[in-house]
Amino acid sequence: QKEVEQNSGPLSVPEGAIASLNCTYSDRGSQSFFWYRQYSGKSPELIMFIYSNGDKEDGRFTAQLNKASQYVSLLIRDSQPSDSATYLCAVKNNAGNMLTFGGGTRLMVKP
Amino acid sequence: GAVVSQHPSWVICKSGTSVKIECRSLDFQATTMFWYRQFPKQSLMLMATSNEGSKATYEQGVEKDKFLINHASLTLSTLTVTSAHPEDSSFYICSARGQTNSPLHFGNGTRLTVT
Repeated sequence: QKEVEQNSGPLSVPEGAIASLNCTYSDRGSQSFFWYRQYSGKSPELIMFIYSNGDKEDGRFTAQLNKASQYVSLLIRDSQPSDSATYLCAVKNNAGNMLTFGGGTRLMVKP
Repeated sequence: GAVVSQHPSWVICKSGTSVKIECRSLDFQATTMFWYRQFPKQSLMLMATSNEGSKATYEQGVEKDKFLINHASLTLSTLTVTSAHPEDSSFYICSARGQTNSPLHFGNGTRLTVT
């Protein structure tokens, strides 16, 4: 079992819809959770991070964390074609010094 | 926000030569820097973790004598690909973090092509 798992996709949603990206992790000691967006040929850029159970909203993005179920999700409201990219989930526990990345989910927003 | 600068953004070199890639944190002190490699349509693969003033920790399967990492200051880490071969052609990305729990910020990446 991979430490951080994501559905590789592609996830296809129509413009204006809500895109829901999910990520599960295996280490119950994980404390910090991050979502990165990576456009083709570019390096990842941080979208959001979340440390506590519940929802965290930033503009059109909402991160949701459920430590009991060991999943973290990213919702993108009013999806735009410019949101089309690969979204990487990353997880860190306090004992370690590095992030563990999922394989990424490719999102396609169709006009 | 935190800015990480990586240079060069792309480089083409001949087989057998060495290439140095620089990673700088511009507006914060990076106690830890990470080097990743990404092949087309694949996910990020961590190569090594470097802490300022100490030897880098390499991931399994990454040759430390081939990929030399130096983290001499809190704002600069370098990766040198020695005796490069065509199979080393890839997208190399550095990332840096200040405090332990602060987010990781990535450089823009270096596309290396070895001919």
